[in-house]
Amino acid sequence: GEDVEQSLFLSVREGDSSVINCTYTDSSSTYLYWYKQEPGAGLQLLTYIFSNMDMKQDQRLTVLLNKKDKHLSLRIADTQTGDSAIYFCAERIGTPLVFGKGTRLSVIA
Amino acid sequence: DAMVIQNPRYQVTQFGKPVTLSCSQTLNHNVMYWYQQKSSQAPKLLFHYYDKDFNNEADTPDNFQSRRPNTSFCFLDIRSPGLGDAAMYLCATSRVGTYNEQFFGPGTRLTVL
Repeated sequence: GEDVEQSLFLSVREGDSSVINCTYTDSSSTYLYWYKQEPGAGLQLLTYIFSNMDMKQDQRLTVLLNKKDKHLSLRIADTQTGDSAIYFCAERIGTPLVFGKGTRLSVIA
Repeated sequence: DAMVIQNPRYQVTQFGKPVTLSCSQTLNHNVMYWYQQKSSQAPKLLFHYYDKDFNNEADTPDNFQSRRPNTSFCFLDIRSPGLGDAAMYLCATSRVGTYNEQFFGPGTRLTVL
């Protein structure tokens, strides 16, 4: 079945690293994505990883993929107050994406 | 700037009164999507168009319809809104290819009185 699970809340101090975790169920997923949603806005693609990769780094963002455990994580280094948002994990099965419920990241100054 | 535009940003309708939400894109993408997002929930795909081909999700209620008169525009019609249809409606586009990035509009928040 199609199901993407994420913890709902994460709170970190400014300057610390944030790690947001996600598990997915469909081993045929080709791409996995992280989207960011700020209040009142649509979703913005942050980064993605192809299923044959196990790590991708893009500036402050590091994505780790454990395909055996169907586990995806997003690490944000040096978290800033502007990183406060909801982060959605999504898997691609065919054309549409299947999203998790999102993790609300709160950054404490 | 190329973008996805949704109008209006906020829509209020009455129970049972038909409402239409609109989406336009300047990206010339061939796929357009409509998602429903309720508070603290994942965006839920309602349907998508691959060019003119309409793809309805199995659990999308019949109350929801869509039209895509051309590449740039896509409409979501709710024929008889119920209180449970109050949500944020997100439009997205993508070009079928490698990583299939979806570009989202800002959403329309629908209130049903």
